[in-house]
Amino acid sequence: DAGITQSPRHKVTETGTPVTLRCHQTENHRYMYWYRQDPGHGLRLIHYSYGVKDTDKGEVSDGYSVSRSKTEDFLLTLESATSSQTSVYFCAITGTSDPYEQYFGPGTRLTVT
Amino acid sequence: GQSLEQPSEVTAVEGAIVQINCTYQTSGFYGLSWYQQHDGGAPTFLSYNGLDGLEETGRFSSFLSRSDSYGYLLLQELQMKDSASYFCAVRASEYSGAGSYQLTFGKGTKLSVIP
Repeated sequence: DAGITQSPRHKVTETGTPVTLRCHQTENHRYMYWYRQDPGHGLRLIHYSYGVKDTDKGEVSDGYSVSRSKTEDFLLTLESATSSQTSVYFCAITGTSDPYEQYFGPGTRLTVT
Repeated sequence: GQSLEQPSEVTAVEGAIVQINCTYQTSGFYGLSWYQQHDGGAPTFLSYNGLDGLEETGRFSSFLSRSDSYGYLLLQELQMKDSASYFCAVRASEYSGAGSYQLTFGKGTKLSVIP
């Protein structure tokens, strides 16, 4: 299994509070992605990174920001959480030697009350 | 943009064969992938088709027809453990140095295998 972890695994927070989710990889892969998964919507890309300090927006980026200061860590921040951001968040990584496969982390279940 | 269509649910009998179809509309196309996800788990990669034809990996096969914008995942000798959601995903752009190994996922097909 690819070495990819996410923290926290579960979180309950209140509307309006900031939340940061962490993705950590030990594979030294260049590309990292944040998705959210909601019933009836499949997996939707929030942001992705193609290197340290290199990030770009995905399909559903509004309300989210990311940072990548080290190859191994990719952080997703909800500046002011809303109930519509209640979801399961997955991080994924891809290596240049195997670009067709994305390896997913275990996911973070976030509930915004 | 990209859009993918796949059936929301499929039920099949243990030991049988099931085919999950995926049709796509994309502005560019470089390949179709399939992922499996068990309830409460993370998606895991099953197969990738960059060219037309059939790719076989054990009990699972995946097919692509670029001219028809269509692909399918074929699961043979179904087992109870195959009960899961299956997602097709399109890679719609070539690598450009800007992280273009992005995938767009379908909404998933929930496969239920019954005895």
